[in-house]
Amino acid sequence: EAGVAQSPRYKIIEKRQSVAFWCNPISGHATLYWYQQILGQGPKLLIQFQNNGVVDDSQLPKDRFSAERLKGVDSTLKIQPAKLEDSAVYLCASSLDRGTLFPTFGSGTRLTVV
Amino acid sequence: AQSVAQPEDQVNVAEGNPLTVKCTYSVSGNPYLFWYVQYPNRGLQFLLKYITGDNLVKGSYGFEAEFNKSQTSFHLKKPSALVSDSALYFCAVRDDLTGGGNKLTFGTGTQLKVEL
Repeated sequence: EAGVAQSPRYKIIEKRQSVAFWCNPISGHATLYWYQQILGQGPKLLIQFQNNGVVDDSQLPKDRFSAERLKGVDSTLKIQPAKLEDSAVYLCASSLDRGTLFPTFGSGTRLTVV
Repeated sequence: AQSVAQPEDQVNVAEGNPLTVKCTYSVSGNPYLFWYVQYPNRGLQFLLKYITGDNLVKGSYGFEAEFNKSQTSFHLKKPSALVSDSALYFCAVRDDLTGGGNKLTFGTGTQLKVEL
């Protein structure tokens, strides 16, 4: 089974610029997650989708971050405008459904804001 | 609220020696506990989980973990470490009260370094 695909692998932008990340989950997985992993910290859930609906976005900084999952498959996470503190690895994960006990993670996108 | 603590930023062990990576947790209900491993420039890979049943859980690559309810701990162990085990290890917890939301809370990670 193919894993969770993410692109790009690396991105360097200047502060106040915008950036977008893409995720393609495992085929058939209804639940999709975006996590933010800042250096030296554990991953933190930003947003969780069930099909194309948002289940939990309580930790998403909505003034600058947005995410969508049109058609309930691929997802994009956008940051506009970026701040220095947004430098992190952004991990996408998916699971069969909300009851699945643990998600499968992609390799992540490493964002550096300078 | 649920939380996880990994008290050691780094653990150093000689190849062939046993290793332990510590984890303690706090949840409102019954815990579902997980260990993930992260190699450089890679995503998180699932190692093992505790849901219910035997307190000693066996996982991938010879790793095991012991659930201790009274001490609220879930330490990761391996009888004989390999240099290739060197990586970043994360403990995660989810309680059984979230109604299937599947929200994992991760610890800050422990860097394991296995030396020859």
